[in-house]
Amino acid sequence: GAVVSQHPSWVICKSGTSVKIECRSLDFQATTMFWYRQFPKQSLMLMATSNEGSKATYEQGVEKDKFLINHASLTLSTLTVTSAHPEDSSFYICSASGKTHYEQYFGPGTRLTVT
Amino acid sequence: EDQVTQSPEALRLQEGESSSLNCSYTVSGLRGLFWYRQDPGKGPEFLFTLYSAGEEKEKERLKATLTKKESFLHITAPKPEDSATYLCAVQASTGFQKLVFGTGTRLLVSP
Repeated sequence: GAVVSQHPSWVICKSGTSVKIECRSLDFQATTMFWYRQFPKQSLMLMATSNEGSKATYEQGVEKDKFLINHASLTLSTLTVTSAHPEDSSFYICSASGKTHYEQYFGPGTRLTVT
Repeated sequence: EDQVTQSPEALRLQEGESSSLNCSYTVSGLRGLFWYRQDPGKGPEFLFTLYSAGEEKEKERLKATLTKKESFLHITAPKPEDSATYLCAVQASTGFQKLVFGTGTRLLVSP
């Protein structure tokens, strides 16, 4: 149980375009979803936290107009990177937690490359 | 500020050579301490949650323990497939389920 999927697993886009990443909880209701980014050989950096039907809470230093997060249902959250630039290239990982557990279950990640 | 420090940064073991990974933490009221395993290019895989000092949990060759200041992940007779980065994270009783991660220990088990 507690499976989280992400789509796409990798994406290449051109500078200035936008890209959307989907995160789904497959077998539980995710009351809270989290978005992280991870640079090579570094730990996870929390970008934002979202609850279903509410606006996301962004960590300090994360541009909310650049990284748009939507948590429209208890099984789906999306991260849209707007006007992407090469410095946005990274590994983006989502996680989800439900009503009955504090653990966060992570998706497999999305590798974004901006050219 | 909540903080997690993991040591060593990297660890190389021979197959069958048991060892322990350390996670030291400071947190304003601990709700839980979590261990994850992460393989290269993949998302972290949940291993354990520990809630209070003295608690222990086991899964196959892994055993996690918790004190008021640190947690240990003991690996008994490791195999090459145990090679991965092991991440420790804490969740404060205040705050909104946010996890604070350490930088991880990269474990390499040689046959």
